[in-house]
Amino acid sequence: AQRVTQPEKLLSVFKGAPVELKCNYSYSGSPELFWYVQYSRQRLQLLLRHISRESIKGFTADLNKGETSFHLKKPFAQEEDSAMYYCALKRGFQKLVFGTGTRLLVSP
Amino acid sequence: ETGVTQSPTHLIKTRGQQVTLRCSSQSGHNTVSWYQQALGQGPQFIFQYYREEENGRGNFPPRFSGLQFPNYSSELNVNALELDDSALYLCASSFGTSGVNTGELFFGEGSRLTVL
Repeated sequence: AQRVTQPEKLLSVFKGAPVELKCNYSYSGSPELFWYVQYSRQRLQLLLRHISRESIKGFTADLNKGETSFHLKKPFAQEEDSAMYYCALKRGFQKLVFGTGTRLLVSP
Repeated sequence: ETGVTQSPTHLIKTRGQQVTLRCSSQSGHNTVSWYQQALGQGPQFIFQYYREEENGRGNFPPRFSGLQFPNYSSELNVNALELDDSALYLCASSFGTSGVNTGELFFGEGSRLTVL
């Protein structure tokens, strides 16, 4: 079964510290993975996708097929990064399978 | 550019009742997906509509049904409400070709349904 696992419900770091939000997936096909973010009082929005191989707001994520992981990383966390982060796997043509989310809290 | 709008934002129903939730897609988008997000969980795919036809469905019973209109707006209907239907219902629009979802979804703020 296709599944996305985000093992941490909450990740708390200090400003300037490195951040790694973990995401593991199970999928028999060729995966397409995404990170979505929800800032306080805002709607869920796309942060980045693995096929773009881009850095958005200083965040990067590398697909590791051997470890079936798609961890989200940022070298120096900022307070404005505090938000709920969801890893998502595109299954088939229509469906996104989301993880349960990790709340990132960046303290000053 | 108008974003995805949903109505109502909050509503309370009792078990056995029926509910209709509405969604206006973002300008230029032709595909609408609906997701259910229970407390503490990630969004779960209910179904997707493309050109007024359902073209993908998640693991939800038939009492969850929907419509898409020619202007690409959409409705989610839930019959015979159960307590477990209490959740945030998210609508997401996207531009798809032949119903293929690129994975970039534009979400509304959701409709929070409470079933008593």
